[in-house]
Amino acid sequence: SAVISQKPSRDICQRGTSLTIQCQVDSQVTMMFWYRQQPGQSLTLIATANQGSEATYESGFVIDKFPISRPNLTFSTLTVSNMSPEDSSIYLCSTETSGGTDTQYFGPGTRLTVL
Amino acid sequence: GENVEQHPSTLSVQEGDSAVIKCTYSDSASNYFPWYKQELGKRPQLIIDIRSNVGEKKDQRIAVTLNKTAKHFSLHITETQPEDSAVYFCAATKGGSSASKIIFGSGTRLSIRP
Repeated sequence: SAVISQKPSRDICQRGTSLTIQCQVDSQVTMMFWYRQQPGQSLTLIATANQGSEATYESGFVIDKFPISRPNLTFSTLTVSNMSPEDSSIYLCSTETSGGTDTQYFGPGTRLTVL
Repeated sequence: GENVEQHPSTLSVQEGDSAVIKCTYSDSASNYFPWYKQELGKRPQLIIDIRSNVGEKKDQRIAVTLNKTAKHFSLHITETQPEDSAVYFCAATKGGSSASKIIFGSGTRLSIRP
């Protein structure tokens, strides 16, 4: 399985500010995914990030609020912009293993609290 | 699009007993069904998965069954132990050569009573 790291692991932010979350994978992968997990809830896909093209956003998520970068095959960032308390969640990145096995592995997550 | 329903939302079983979690999916094109375990404060971890060309898969105390006709699949944990306490998520996706998004169920909080 891929080794996935995220930074920061947690942060407390003021409303109206932005936070950029980094996701690093130890091998080259085609797709990276960003999820949100609100307290006590399931995982909701925010967007799919393919290297060299614009991210594909799910219904209810827009690029202006959650801009994503994918500069190479091992790295991606998710920015949570103009934050409000409703953005308080855990944000996780995930990726498939190389070879396209369909299995997704998750990073450790970033716990965001917006005051 | 795909919709995955999961039941029950909470489950409490006596240590040593079995636990069963059930999921249904809506898209008949889904062909890959992973199960994830998430302990408190940790990331979701894949524990077992099954593809649509298989009806059952076992890994020690864990088994998953799939009924394609009825579009439902289940997780079975036998001889439960305290370390099985966690939230379990089922998921479904249309696997293939291009990465497909995984749709998760709502989760089941499993508690093992000593």
